[in-house]
Amino acid sequence: NAGVTQTPKFRVLKTGQSMTLLCAQDMNHEYMYWYRQDPGMGLRLIHYSVGEGTTAKGEVPDGYNVSRLKKQNFLLGLESAAPSQTSVYFCASSYSGRVPSTDTQYFGPGTRLTVL
Amino acid sequence: AQSVTQLGSHVSVSEGALVLLRCNYSSSVPPYLFWYVQYPNQGLQLLLKYTSAATLVKGINGFEAEFKKSETSFHLTKPSAHMSDAAEYFCAVTKNTGNQFYFGTGTSLTVIP
Repeated sequence: NAGVTQTPKFRVLKTGQSMTLLCAQDMNHEYMYWYRQDPGMGLRLIHYSVGEGTTAKGEVPDGYNVSRLKKQNFLLGLESAAPSQTSVYFCASSYSGRVPSTDTQYFGPGTRLTVL
Repeated sequence: AQSVTQLGSHVSVSEGALVLLRCNYSSSVPPYLFWYVQYPNQGLQLLLKYTSAATLVKGINGFEAEFKKSETSFHLTKPSAHMSDAAEYFCAVTKNTGNQFYFGTGTSLTVIP
């Protein structure tokens, strides 16, 4: 099992450019998440998905869009990149999203994005 | 509002010394609590979790944490630090009202030979 993989690992954008980050998991997990990690702020949830075809907003959704067309993939899009979106982006997945959640989240290796 | 607070963004210990990383939570009901570790240039991985069973939770690599409701704390400890423990550690909580994780700001652990 590859677990959770993310593409690309690094990317540099100019302000106003768009891009899509791809997350893939091979564990048949229902729930998938996108986080951003910034120094001194820990991880903050951008968007998440509770299953194929569904998405929901997290703490910091502005400026991002997501899609979950296939269960194994979760895409994060930046339509018009801004320097404030310079960050490390992590994708995660979990088996279920029971409330309250006790399931382990499995993380990808991250994508380091710089917006100039 | 922050749901977990990690005291000390940087902690240094000597190899073989006790590791103590602090995490306090704010919640009106007992939450579920987690510790994750992030090694350089990697994603996070679960160390241990508290899900209302035993209050003393043992995790991987010799780490353990104790849930103390009276102190609203879930501190992470390891009796003897190893060089390979150098990493960033995150405390996280989920609430009864949702399935979102809320992460602390992280504590960077340095182990001095």
